[in-house]
Amino acid sequence: AQKITQTQPGMFVQEKEAVTLDCTYDTSDQSYGLFWYKQPSSGEMIFLIYQGSYDEQNATEGRYSLNFQKARKSANLVISASQLGDSAMYFCAMREGLIGTSYDKVIFGPGTSLSVIP
Amino acid sequence: NAGVTQTPKFQVLKTGQSMTLQCAQDMNHNSMYWYRQDPGMGLRLIYYSASEGTTDKGEVPNGYNVSRLNKREFSLRLESAAPSQTSVYFCASSEGRTSPAGNTIYFGEGSWLTVV
Repeated sequence: AQKITQTQPGMFVQEKEAVTLDCTYDTSDQSYGLFWYKQPSSGEMIFLIYQGSYDEQNATEGRYSLNFQKARKSANLVISASQLGDSAMYFCAMREGLIGTSYDKVIFGPGTSLSVIP
Repeated sequence: NAGVTQTPKFQVLKTGQSMTLQCAQDMNHNSMYWYRQDPGMGLRLIYYSASEGTTDKGEVPNGYNVSRLNKREFSLRLESAAPSQTSVYFCASSEGRTSPAGNTIYFGEGSWLTVV
C-alpha cells in the first residue's frame, strides 16, 4: 500500500512567486521523520529539509519551509520566491522506526515535477 | 569527500545474466539503502540495512539480493536479470536513527542498468 502520496504530478509557478507541493503520508509509528528531496534533470538527489514527528515547529531552510500538519498527516513543501533553478522533480519521503532500534526504513513518494516560468 | 560511491555507472545486461552493483560510503554511516527509480514511480526501496550484519526487505525486493559486507559496503545482486529490472539504481546512506542528528540521507550518483 502506498504510504506517501503526492497528488500533483506536475506544477507550474511564475518566477518569484511562492509554490506549495503537497505530500500526505500514512504511518502507525509515533516516531517518524519526513524529508523533501530535489532531483534536477542531472539526476542527483539533493536534500532540502527534514521534519521530525515530535518537532513542534515547522522546519525551515532558507527559501524552503515544511508545513507540517500532524493530525492530517500532511507535510507540504513551500518554496518562496521561486527561481528558474528550482525547476526539478521534488520527492517527499518518510522515515519510520524508533530511534535506537535497527529498523530504519525510508520510502519515497512518486514525486512532483515543478516548472518555473520566467 | 567521496560520500556514497556506486559502481558501475552504466551497464547493459542480457536477460538471464547476473551482476552485482557495488556501493560504498566513507561517512561511517550505520544505515544503507538501495532504491530503483522508474519514470512516474519515484524511488522505490528494494532493500535496506540499518546496521552492519542486518538487512531487510523494502517495497520491491523480488529478483534482488543484498549483502552488507561491512559497515562501508552494501551490494545489490541481480541473479537472473529481467527486462523489468531496467531502471536507475540509487544507493544511499545515513547515520541512522540511533542518532537524533542522523537524519540526512546521502545518495550516490545512480547506476543506469538496461536489461535486453
